Amino acid sequence: EVQLVESGGDLVQPGGSLRLSCAASGFTFSSYSMNWVRQAPGKGLEWVSYIGTSSDNIYYADSVRGRFTISRDNAKNSLYLQMNSLRDEDTAVYYCARQNPNPKFDYWGQGTLVTVSS
Amino acid sequence: DIQMTQSPYSLSASVGDRVTITCRASQSISSYLNWYQQKPGKAPKLLIYAASSLQSGVPSRFSGSESGTDFTLTISSLQPEDSATYYCQQSYDTPTFGQGTKLEIK
Repeated sequence: EVQLVESGGDLVQPGGSLRLSCAASGFTFSSYSMNWVRQAPGKGLEWVSYIGTSSDNIYYADSVRGRFTISRDNAKNSLYLQMNSLRDEDTAVYYCARQNPNPKFDYWGQGTLVTVSS
Repeated sequence: DIQMTQSPYSLSASVGDRVTITCRASQSISSYLNWYQQKPGKAPKLLIYAASSLQSGVPSRFSGSESGTDFTLTISSLQPEDSATYYCQQSYDTPTFGQGTKLEIK
């Protein structure tokens, strides 16, 4: 069974940093591209970042470029999102999502809540 | 970025009704259009990919179609468990989502 489990969400002050993790199981992690997608409270879905299978291709939304860094460790079946210079508007549930080559987000984690507030 | 515009913003329908939700892309995206269902407090779930292909395990009452830059999600016979918010998403370019359609059961 495919499982994606996020962790690391917390309450952080504006300007602070946080590192999110996503532990994958039930599939060959190194064969799939991965994404982070977020959802602000009561709002819609916003794609955040993409990473290719061997970290060869990396993309970011304009709203986070220069502040967030996506990475992965295929040996540990894990995806990460380093979030720096956090702003109020980064408050959201952050989901990791597997990207099927179709392309489509075919599996999602349960999400982890990041709250940026003083 | 490619803009995705969904309509309606919300709708209410009865069990057994045929329901359609529309998504319009701001430019051509070929058939790179996916539909997701999200229930409160849960992660999105993939329903339809490539505009009209049903994801494995999704009930056959869900279907998708396309006409140019207009895409439609249809639920042929609404069930109580279909109460949710539905999102379209284009995967032609940097992924973008529609604003969502909240579907309620009367």
